[in-house]
Amino acid sequence: QVQLVQSGAEVKKPGSSVKVSCKASGGTFSSYAISWVRQAPGQGLEWMGGIIPIFGTANYAQKFQGRVTITADESTSTAYMELSSLRSEDTAVYYCARPPDCSSTSCYAGTLGGPFDYWGQGTLVTVSS
Amino acid sequence: EIVLTQSPGTLSLSPGERATLSCRASQSVSSSYLAWYQQKPGQAPRLLIYGASSRATGIPDRFSGSGSGTDFTLTISRLEPEDFAVYYCQQYGSSSSITFGQGTRLEIK
Repeated sequence: QVQLVQSGAEVKKPGSSVKVSCKASGGTFSSYAISWVRQAPGQGLEWMGGIIPIFGTANYAQKFQGRVTITADESTSTAYMELSSLRSEDTAVYYCARPPDCSSTSCYAGTLGGPFDYWGQGTLVTVSS
Repeated sequence: EIVLTQSPGTLSLSPGERATLSCRASQSVSSSYLAWYQQKPGQAPRLLIYGASSRATGIPDRFSGSGSGTDFTLTISRLEPEDFAVYYCQQYGSSSSITFGQGTRLEIK
């Protein structure tokens, strides 16, 4: 069973950066994309971008281009999301998520797309002066 | 970017009733790459439906999904008390931009 465990809550000043980690256990880390999704207080879900560890190249939502960097370390089965130039509107819970394992009817290995069957517990990032 | 619009914003029903939630896309969702999630307060979302109509592992059969192209529906046949939550649709057909709907809140009447 795949588990995604994220780093703890952060409090940051406006203009600074934050780096959140997501450690995977169980399953195959390298072949499946890890995506990052955020949720501002009382708001909906927003996809930020994702990475397929074996390829190492990340895709980002246009809104976050230039401000977010997603990386993955295959040796530790850990993905990272770094968001820079933080502002108060970035206060949110940040989740990492992954598609389901391949089945007889569908397989999302090697593709950034896919429904998110596994989720981290979420990391609250608070941006405040 | 594909924009997903969910309706209604809030749905008030009683346990035992049938719930019908809608998700409309601004352009066709390729290969029915459409998923539905349930989220309860303080929890991560839970995958219910993928591929527009396939139930995820462990999801009760009172949950069903249908639709194609730009119009999709999540149906809960008989509401249980634990089904009252917020529901999101998501399209994942374009790997360059995955998007979510704004959510439908299902509340107890």
